[in-house]
Amino acid sequence: QQQVKQSPQSLIVQKGGIPIINCAYENTAFDYFPWYQQFPGKGPALLIAIRPDVSEKKEGRFTISFNKSAKQFSLHIMDSQPGDSATYFCAASDDYKLSFGAGTTVTVRA
Amino acid sequence: GAVVSQHPSRVICKSGTSVKIECRSLDFQATTMFWYRQFPKKSLMLMATSNEGSKATYEQGVEKDKFLINHASLTLSTLTVTSAHPEDSSFYICSVKVTDTQYFGPGTRLTVL
Repeated sequence: QQQVKQSPQSLIVQKGGIPIINCAYENTAFDYFPWYQQFPGKGPALLIAIRPDVSEKKEGRFTISFNKSAKQFSLHIMDSQPGDSATYFCAASDDYKLSFGAGTTVTVRA
Repeated sequence: GAVVSQHPSRVICKSGTSVKIECRSLDFQATTMFWYRQFPKKSLMLMATSNEGSKATYEQGVEKDKFLINHASLTLSTLTVTSAHPEDSSFYICSVKVTDTQYFGPGTRLTVL
């Protein structure tokens, strides 16, 4: 079964909007939470990652919020651009394997 | 991070033939690499963990005789799809593990006719 639940499956925003993608997990052994961006026909690229001892991390226009007690984390894309249109995967690791969410297809309209 | 390449990027083969996909870590000596499979509009599915100098560890349900993995050096892992059939058509992606992070290759599109 999927160890990381990701929602929504897809979303559409206007340029400048803030797409928000949410993920939840159950396994408390997970201690590393990366996000990947994937364009059609390409491999996933690491965007940003967080550990449970941090509640928020920003890198450029990408922000991860982490709620350890709720076992949830989310990705916000600030000032989204058409070039951000891609599929985003959250993931969780227990120091060995990555468990991926189902993915969210984000479309940013100009 | 690590820079990962895959070769070929696309391959079309006839049913019953074998296909080898290479995964190279260009700037990092990788003791551990992973092989994934991805169907259209789906998430990545881990197939196996490739360990340098030892046998690969396969995920449940993945046929080890069908998907042969060799990790003969710290910079190269290969996946051979043996006796390929149309249902093996998919996007195959490898990754290199650097501490906690996995860096992915560009993927190989396999089409079996």
